[in-house]
Amino acid sequence: KAGVTQTPRYLIKTRGQQVTLSCSPISGHRSVSWYQQTPGQGLQFLFEYFSETQRNKGNFPGRFSGRQFSNSRSEMNVSTLELGDSALYLCASSHRGRGRDGELFFGEGSRLTVL
Amino acid sequence: GQSLEQPSEVTAVEGAIVQINCTYQTSGFYGLSWYQQHDGGAPTFLSYNGLDGLEETGRFSSFLSRSDSYGYLLLQELQMKDSASYFCAAQLNQAGTALIFGKGTTLSVSS
Repeated sequence: KAGVTQTPRYLIKTRGQQVTLSCSPISGHRSVSWYQQTPGQGLQFLFEYFSETQRNKGNFPGRFSGRQFSNSRSEMNVSTLELGDSALYLCASSHRGRGRDGELFFGEGSRLTVL
Repeated sequence: GQSLEQPSEVTAVEGAIVQINCTYQTSGFYGLSWYQQHDGGAPTFLSYNGLDGLEETGRFSSFLSRSDSYGYLLLQELQMKDSASYFCAAQLNQAGTALIFGKGTTLSVSS
């Protein structure tokens, strides 16, 4: 069974640009959540999508947005990039009702560097 | 605000036992999870406590006390490969898909 796939793995952008990151969840998983990981703040919850609907949202500005498609694939977008947006962006999938509670399956992440 | 506190670093030797504590302050709590992350890798699930008490999974055990807003991860028979970062995470929704993470504990195991 293929794991969670994130693309691109690495990317470099400049301030003011926008970026779109993609996540393909494990087959059959309908929930996709996104996290930002930085050395100073650790893992911070961005948002979660389930069946194409945003179900939960963290405390990030509106520049951070996402969506989920009918095949459960998800994208997140960051507009008007700032230096502080440099981070590892992790996607995680879950299929509620299978496996253990609290278990998310993470991808390897997309490492974004903003110059 | 919502937060989880855990020590930033722990060191131990091979074969030893180490306990990583986690205290949490959250609104809406369904359970506590633990994740391991090696440098450059994805976080991987280790354990979950939805109820008070001890859960054992091989060399790893996890404990939760809801009344004390406290949990810990116990790692026994430490091996070099256990050197990694360990995160506790509070489950904020019933589906278990929204987690608030602690900042992580870096465990260094030496021979």
